[in-house]
Amino acid sequence: EDQVTQSPEALRLQEGESSSLNCSYTVSGLRGLFWYRQDPGKGPEFLFTLYSAGEEKEKERLKATLTKKESFLHITAPKPEDSATYLCAVTRGSTLGRLYFGRGTQLTVWP
Amino acid sequence: EAQVTQNPRYLITVTGKKLTVTCSQNMNHEYMSWYRQDPGLGLRQIYYSMNVEVTDKGDVPEGYKVSRKEKRNFPLILESPSPNQTSLYFCASRKKADHYNSPLHFGNGTRLTVT
Repeated sequence: EDQVTQSPEALRLQEGESSSLNCSYTVSGLRGLFWYRQDPGKGPEFLFTLYSAGEEKEKERLKATLTKKESFLHITAPKPEDSATYLCAVTRGSTLGRLYFGRGTQLTVWP
Repeated sequence: EAQVTQNPRYLITVTGKKLTVTCSQNMNHEYMSWYRQDPGLGLRQIYYSMNVEVTDKGDVPEGYKVSRKEKRNFPLILESPSPNQTSLYFCASRKKADHYNSPLHFGNGTRLTVT
């Protein structure tokens, strides 16, 4: 049973064209939702942690938001260097050692 | 430099030949974990360790073993590899085991091919 679902699987944007990536989750007792960025041939790199519905965090052109059922990663005026796979993951209270990842959204930003 | 180091980066082996993928972190982190990443399936957790001598199963532990005898090292052992274990493997760590909201630090991966 999928606990974390990301959409779309792939997204192509022109430089400057803002958009959003979605991460929906079905875990109970959510303790934290994470966003990571992964470049080809490398391990995921941490971007944000969100704890509770209504929370927002920003970093450069990225803004992450959280509701009770999903999170969005908004990308404002993206640049080609934002091209990467973006991964969403969650932890829940009953199993603090476990981290459940979605399948990722592959973002390509072309000039 | 603070990092998680995996070795080897690439490994090609044959079915049934025991192998070990090493993982070492220099950040004095309590928590360490192994993941495999497959196209269309994303990252799936194999095993994790909340501290020395404490390990537990993730989503896909079958065919793998781990040990945590010292804080810095968390090797992944495949006693009898099979072709379905061909994958990209990542080791990760975080500072405190119970600080579940602190970020994971990932290694750069080990690409394993089992023929």
